[in-house]
Amino acid sequence: QQQVKQSPQSLIVQKGGISIINCAYENTAFDYFPWYQQFPGKGPALLIAIRPDVSEKKEGRFTISFNKSAKQFSLHIMDSQPGDSATYFCAASGGIQGAQKLVFGQGTRLTINP
Amino acid sequence: NAGVTQTPKFQVLKTGQSMTLQCAQDMNHEYMSWYRQDPGMGLRLIHYSVGAGITDQGEVPNGYNVSRSTTEDFPLRLLSAAPSQTSVYFCASSYWLPTGELFFGEGSRLTVL
Repeated sequence: QQQVKQSPQSLIVQKGGISIINCAYENTAFDYFPWYQQFPGKGPALLIAIRPDVSEKKEGRFTISFNKSAKQFSLHIMDSQPGDSATYFCAASGGIQGAQKLVFGQGTRLTINP
Repeated sequence: NAGVTQTPKFQVLKTGQSMTLQCAQDMNHEYMSWYRQDPGMGLRLIHYSVGAGITDQGEVPNGYNVSRSTTEDFPLRLLSAAPSQTSVYFCASSYWLPTGELFFGEGSRLTVL
């Protein structure tokens, strides 16, 4: 049972375009939603994170949009660059039982064409 | 600054063999965890530890054992390897979860024949 569902599985975007990756969750106890970026042969690394008390967080070209009522959150990459080509994972944690368990989505392989 | 170090990077086992994946961190993090990464499945939590002497199960703990005798080390043991355990394994640590950044190692690729 996947607690965090991520889509699409793969995405191809032209350089300069906007990349959008979506995630949905079921557990209303979740209260921390990070995104991780992974390059081939490397471990994932934290990209950006959000708490549910805000609807949007922006860091440079990366923005998280959060919709608490719909239990959905998304990552937007503006002005996408070839160097952004990587696998992206959304994740969530929270609640009494799940505070110490960061659960990940299935991942999205993003390719930015030059 | 080494961060999270995993060994070995690659390993091939036969069904039924045992082995230990090593993980060490030099950031004095209390929280450590093991994930496995499989295509289309994302990262799934195997076991985690919130400090020396304390471990707990994650989403997919069956077939794996862990112990935490020191803050720095968190080995993952496969007692009797199965082909279903073929995967890439990642160790990660954090100063404090749930909202702390997870620092990952570079992974250990395990193949069970």
